[in-house]
Amino acid sequence: DGGITQSPKYLFRKEGQNVTLSCEQNLNHDAMYWYRQDPGQGLRLIYYSQIVNDFQKGDIAEGYSVSREKKESFPLTVTSAQKNPTAFYLCASSPEFSYNEQFFGPGTRLTVL
Amino acid sequence: GENVEQHPSTLSVQEGDSAVIKCTYSDSASNYFPWYKQELGKGPQLIIDIRSNVGEKKDQRIAVTLNKTAKHFSLHITETQPEDSAVYFCAASIQGGSQGNLIFGKGTKLSVKP
Repeated sequence: DGGITQSPKYLFRKEGQNVTLSCEQNLNHDAMYWYRQDPGQGLRLIYYSQIVNDFQKGDIAEGYSVSREKKESFPLTVTSAQKNPTAFYLCASSPEFSYNEQFFGPGTRLTVL
Repeated sequence: GENVEQHPSTLSVQEGDSAVIKCTYSDSASNYFPWYKQELGKGPQLIIDIRSNVGEKKDQRIAVTLNKTAKHFSLHITETQPEDSAVYFCAASIQGGSQGNLIFGKGTKLSVKP
């Protein structure tokens, strides 16, 4: 089945630890995105990648980092510099940046204790 | 930059009634307006979208209308069913340019009572 997978579904970390969230797609999409969702809020863009080995900051990139070494993978690291990391994180992809609909993964709920 | 406002934040209807969710956008250059449905604990799924060269689009019980002059667009769900209960998000973007990111509204929680 084609789609976007995010793992794990739930993640718990202690304050001050870095944590990496996984996002994999087998849709052969060039563009990938990371969003953060908080209760009662819309989706806010953290980082996006138009193509392999390229990525740009979104609206709330502070305290996060990404890499795009392979077309199918776009991991997000939540660093200890992120002041309020507890949230629901969503990964998405689209065939091309800026031309097509975005397809979302199932999300990872991160809780920092 | 683009700003998208969505109303209402919560909406409760009886099964069989219609539901309408409205969004306004600020950037007149925006040309793509998708609507997503998000069920609890899941990622959003695209349910319908409209581009700026079209005023209305329908797909079975769902329709979207766009008023470019007023810069607002609406989602209409007819004959609502309990399985329509979810959070709905509107979004806007400028497709075909360097700023093609989706800007989302804050969502509408729709509850359909049997």
